[in-house]
Amino acid sequence: GEDVEQSLFLSVREGDSSVINCTYTDSSSTYLYWYKQEPGAGLQLLTYIFSNMDMKQDQRLTVLLNKKDKHLSLRIADTQTGDSAIYFCADFNQAGTALIFGKGTTLSVSS
Amino acid sequence: GAVVSQHPSRVICKSGTSVKIECRSLDFQATTMFWYRQFPKQSLMLMATSNEGSKATYEQGVEKDKFLINHASLTLSTLTVTSAHPEDSSFYICSARGGGSGAFFGQGTRLTVV
Repeated sequence: GEDVEQSLFLSVREGDSSVINCTYTDSSSTYLYWYKQEPGAGLQLLTYIFSNMDMKQDQRLTVLLNKKDKHLSLRIADTQTGDSAIYFCADFNQAGTALIFGKGTTLSVSS
Repeated sequence: GAVVSQHPSRVICKSGTSVKIECRSLDFQATTMFWYRQFPKQSLMLMATSNEGSKATYEQGVEKDKFLINHASLTLSTLTVTSAHPEDSSFYICSARGGGSGAFFGQGTRLTVV
């Protein structure tokens, strides 16, 4: 079945850039997504990228997509303590009916 | 962006009782809603897909009789955890698909069964 993998932890200092990586298996995806989950809260759609794009920039966020390698990354510039959260990479299942999530990357930002 | 409201955000119930969780799409019609469960420090696990006016489709390993899902209208889906046990304690999140740009999530419900 479909699978989405991502590293579990990332620790950075305030002001540095953070890069969270993700790999996926389903090559038929039209969109790929990044979600953010703050402690005790639901998921917030951060950004998404259409599969025919290589890069998408949205303020401090940059998404890079390498379709050949099935690799997706999220770069957060000038990381702030408020960016500390769990970040999930997600992809729709083959039926297109539900999102398949990675295990989430816990981003810890120290001041 | 689209808003999905989930209620309640937290609930504590006694073992053996039932709990209902509501998921509403506030500014769009969602023909399909999804229910996820999240165990501590783990990713989301899809429990079921809820289609308006028809029976929900459950993922393998999810008990249909324990997790009752109803999607009576285009803006409301409910998940009822029946005869709850402590092992049902978890974080439950609903989502609704809006257009082609992604799925929008509720705030989640923290269920604690004592």
